[in-house]
Amino acid sequence: DVVMTQTPVSLPVSLGGQASISCRSSQSLVHSNGNTYLHWYLQKPGQSPQLLIYRVSNRFSGVPDRFSGSGSGTDFTLKISRVEPEDLGDYYCLQSTHFPYTFGAGTKLELK
Amino acid sequence: EVQLVETGGGLVQPGKSLKLTCATSGFTFSNAWMHWVRQSPEKQLEWVAQIKAKSNNYATYYAESVKGRFTISRDDSKSSVYLQMNSLKEEDTAIYYCTTRVYLDYWGQGVMVTVSS
Repeated sequence: DVVMTQTPVSLPVSLGGQASISCRSSQSLVHSNGNTYLHWYLQKPGQSPQLLIYRVSNRFSGVPDRFSGSGSGTDFTLKISRVEPEDLGDYYCLQSTHFPYTFGAGTKLELK
Repeated sequence: EVQLVETGGGLVQPGKSLKLTCATSGFTFSNAWMHWVRQSPEKQLEWVAQIKAKSNNYATYYAESVKGRFTISRDDSKSSVYLQMNSLKEEDTAIYYCTTRVYLDYWGQGVMVTVSS
């Protein structure tokens, strides 16, 4: 299985500040069709996960441009600029290039 | 508005069975790949199963941890997807979510399954 190593585990931030989360895969996430199926989700307290970014860098409908994704191959980053209170929660990366799909262990974004 | 509503969870003894249902609306279900994902009490997310659309011959895929015990199915006439869970183990205890399409873009509210004697 593809192992998704997500860091850090916990990320204290100040409101208005910037946050960066890393996700590294144990093998390349480039699919045979040329696409890279690496996605980012936010799970707010008491809620279901919600899609933020799909295929590395594409913001899902309604996601503010404060969220951006980048990376290639095995190394990916989610950046959040101008952190707002509604951004707090658990962030997960997911790879759906290879079966079985696998998630990172999560990063808790919390107030400093 | 896309909606997914899971039902059928509960407390069950090890070795027993349970069937989850996910009723959907607000998108073209018949064309959509559907998934079940679970979240353990330790908050780890685990993809469980996928079923593709009729155009993909309803192909199914499973996590190794549930292969041979769980069965995913769908009824396009009811816009619903199901997860039949047999021979349940304590480690199957989790919140089970159904989620949609290629990027797992919409999720239900989840249903709790507790396997305990």
